[in-house]
Amino acid sequence: GAGVSQSPSNKVTEKGKDVELRCDPISGHTALYWYRQRLGQGLEFLIYFQGNSAPDKSGLPSDRFSAERTGESVSTLTIQRTQQEDSAVYLCASSWNGQGPLQYFGPGTRLTVT
Amino acid sequence: SQQGEEDPQALSIQEGENATMNCSYKTSINNLQWYRQNSGRGLVHLILIRSNEREKHSGRLRVTLDTSKKSSSLLITASRAADTASYFCATRSPNSGGSNYKLTFGKGTLLTVNP
Repeated sequence: GAGVSQSPSNKVTEKGKDVELRCDPISGHTALYWYRQRLGQGLEFLIYFQGNSAPDKSGLPSDRFSAERTGESVSTLTIQRTQQEDSAVYLCASSWNGQGPLQYFGPGTRLTVT
Repeated sequence: SQQGEEDPQALSIQEGENATMNCSYKTSINNLQWYRQNSGRGLVHLILIRSNEREKHSGRLRVTLDTSKKSSSLLITASRAADTASYFCATRSPNSGGSNYKLTFGKGTLLTVNP
């Protein structure tokens, strides 16, 4: 079956513009996660969706960041008024449910803010 | 906050040698996982060790866990050039306010295997 897919794979944007990043999880996975990875760093948790429960947004760094998920499918991460420090790889992962031990990662979107 | 911390930050070895990477963490865990990342993109899960396990093997990988020292090691035996990648440990903590789904990643070890 298909893995987690993300689009676009690369995005270059000007400072101040809004961007939308998309994640298609593995079919049947109820849990979806977004992470940010700055150059040379580990992954920072951003947000977690589980079924129809309220998402855990505790990792979002500012109110310029938001994310939505339609049911148990596609998720979009939106960054408004992008700043240079938002430049990073944004990784999406999904799992069978929040209790499942394994997360399956997409290839990521490399965002560059100029 | 950073839970896992890997060391060394970078490791360069010759093909055929063994590579050992270490991970330390701060709080109690349910399990610890090792992931591999090529070229700064998607992560691939390698192996998971539960808190009540001390050692686990998978092919050329051997993982140990010492919960008393809050540390883990990943050993890759008979390394190959294709093993060149960044390796991350990630910890999963016991249910804390219902947030036990979270994985906390370290900064990773960059392994270079020279042919």
